[in-house]
Amino acid sequence: GQSLEQPSEVTAVEGAIVQINCTYQTSGFYGLSWYQQHDGGAPTFLSYNALDGLEETGRFSSFLSRSDSYGYLLLQELQMKDSASYFCAVEGGATNKLIFGTGTLLAVQP
Amino acid sequence: EAGVTQFPSHSVIEKGQTVTLRCDPISGHDNLYWYRRVMGKEIKFLLHFVKESKQDESGMPNNRFLAERTGGTYSTLKVQPAELEDSGVYFCASSLRGPDIQYFGAGTRLSVL
Repeated sequence: GQSLEQPSEVTAVEGAIVQINCTYQTSGFYGLSWYQQHDGGAPTFLSYNALDGLEETGRFSSFLSRSDSYGYLLLQELQMKDSASYFCAVEGGATNKLIFGTGTLLAVQP
Repeated sequence: EAGVTQFPSHSVIEKGQTVTLRCDPISGHDNLYWYRRVMGKEIKFLLHFVKESKQDESGMPNNRFLAERTGGTYSTLKVQPAELEDSGVYFCASSLRGPDIQYFGAGTRLSVL
């Protein structure tokens, strides 16, 4: 089957750095995406890795190791507004459908 | 530029009734996707349109679900008759081309009582 594993919850304090890991097992792989979702709203695209290595976008970075079927999202200088659910998703197959992990609920505390 | 819009935002219906969800993708996006999140589970793919054609409907649960995208613009997802297990949040996403970033709507929260 196809599956993506993420921690269910992570807690951190303002200003800290947090890493959310994602391991995947899928039949096809084109890339790994990360989405943020606040309070059940629209999942918002954060980053995408198709090749091994680190992609940096402001306070957020994402890493991919295709040989290890592993990636992570790194959030730096945490702010209260970063409290949300974070989903990793694999783009696999000819139709580019996304296969999602179960999501990680990040709680940022003062 | 308007994002992906979905209507209604919430729908409460009784088992056996029919519900139609609508998605308006970002203008010019040929690719349109439907996903669903059932309580406590991951977001799961339902189907993918390229313009008006169904590219992949492997995620559709059963024949009670019917998706259309006439004219290649907005799409509808009809559930008929609705069952209790159909409750969840139905998301629509669109992308300019595949593969590309998928932009999601805020979803329709469906409750079947």
